[in-house]
Amino acid sequence: KAGVTQTPRYLIKTRGQQVTLSCSPISGHRSVSWYQQTPGQGLQFLFEYFSETQRNKGNFPGRFSGRQFSNSRSEMNVSTLELGDSALYLCASSLDSLSRGYFGPGTRLTVT
Amino acid sequence: QQQVKQSPQSLIVQKGGISIINCAYENTAFDYFPWYQQFPGKGPALLIAIRPDVSEKKEGRFTISFNKSAKQFSLHIMDSQPGDSATYFCAASIRGSQGNLIFGKGTKLSVKP
Repeated sequence: KAGVTQTPRYLIKTRGQQVTLSCSPISGHRSVSWYQQTPGQGLQFLFEYFSETQRNKGNFPGRFSGRQFSNSRSEMNVSTLELGDSALYLCASSLDSLSRGYFGPGTRLTVT
Repeated sequence: QQQVKQSPQSLIVQKGGISIINCAYENTAFDYFPWYQQFPGKGPALLIAIRPDVSEKKEGRFTISFNKSAKQFSLHIMDSQPGDSATYFCAASIRGSQGNLIFGKGTKLSVKP
């Protein structure tokens, strides 16, 4: 089985712009979670989707949003980018919320 | 109460030695405790996980010890190898919510040959 795919792998944006990141889960997996990883804050949970519904949301401002499509692929969007949004954004897929998660390689976002 | 505290931040071990990383938590609703290994440029990979109904779980050279009363758990890497050099994260989640992991800050392990 192919692993979790995240696109793009690297992205450079300017402050104030918006960005959309994509995650394709492992085939058959219906749950997708997103995490932000920074040197200072570590790995922080953003949100979790299951069957197109947001199940949980972390403590991030409303500029961070996501969605999941009927094929389980997920996107996250960050509007009005700030310098502090520079991070590695990781998604993890699992069969359901009771199963182990498999992480993708991440998207490295740099905001200048 | 949602925090998971991990120590040490960094660890240097000789090849063949035992690496020990510790984590502590406060939320008694946590019931799933995984450990992840991350190499530079890669996403975290699940190493081993434990639930609070057992005190120890071993998979190959990796062992989790769990102390429910102390709300602590630790990862032991036996016979550490240079290829084990990576950053290790402990995490915790509430039952039915394994997609919502609370991570420790990570431990950077270096195994010297």
